[in-house]
Amino acid sequence: AQSVSQHNHHVILSEAASLELGCNYSYGGTVNLFWYVQYPGQHLQLLLKYFSGDPLVKGIKGFEAEFIKSKFSFNLRKPSVQWSDTAEYFCAVNAPSGGYQKVTFGTGTKLQVIP
Amino acid sequence: DTEVTQTPKHLVMGMTNKKSLKCEQHMGHRAMYWYKQKAKKPPELMFVYSYEKLSINESVPSRFSPECPNSSLLNLHLHALQPEDSALYLCASSQQQGFTEAFFGQGTRLTVV
Repeated sequence: AQSVSQHNHHVILSEAASLELGCNYSYGGTVNLFWYVQYPGQHLQLLLKYFSGDPLVKGIKGFEAEFIKSKFSFNLRKPSVQWSDTAEYFCAVNAPSGGYQKVTFGTGTKLQVIP
Repeated sequence: DTEVTQTPKHLVMGMTNKKSLKCEQHMGHRAMYWYKQKAKKPPELMFVYSYEKLSINESVPSRFSPECPNSSLLNLHLHALQPEDSALYLCASSQQQGFTEAFFGQGTRLTVV
């Protein structure tokens, strides 16, 4: 079965620090990749997505992610975090599973930004 | 309108009750999803409807019964639930199945007593 790993469960950063959240997946074929964010008390929102083309994708709010196929990774980055980035971040992978396309979410990383 | 609207926002039900969760979108999306999210866990797929037909059932117990009356509406009928079914139930929609880009609702926080 497909799996998605987010190794950082809880990250605490000061404002202006740089952020990198790891995401690794197991499927060896073509995948679509997503990062979603869930602010406290709010619904999941799409930050960015990768389908094909340039492996460096830019999303909303200054976030970007790099797809490295050889490493099965799709890490999320932001050069300088703000207090308002405090949220939970989920990596998600869309890949074939049991004859259909299925999206699997990682376990999430809780980001806390300290002013 | 890029919203997925879920009602109710909160629901408390007894183990013998029958209740329904509702989800609505007006983006013309033809795929709609139910996810279950327990505390500190990622969303887990329950059902997928594609063009109003049930496409995926992730071996969900029959006490959960989905229904898609039309392309804009998705219901989840609940009957004889267990306390361990307490969770946040999320509805999502996308243009097509396969998650081109999914839009999520706020969820219904369900407590089974």
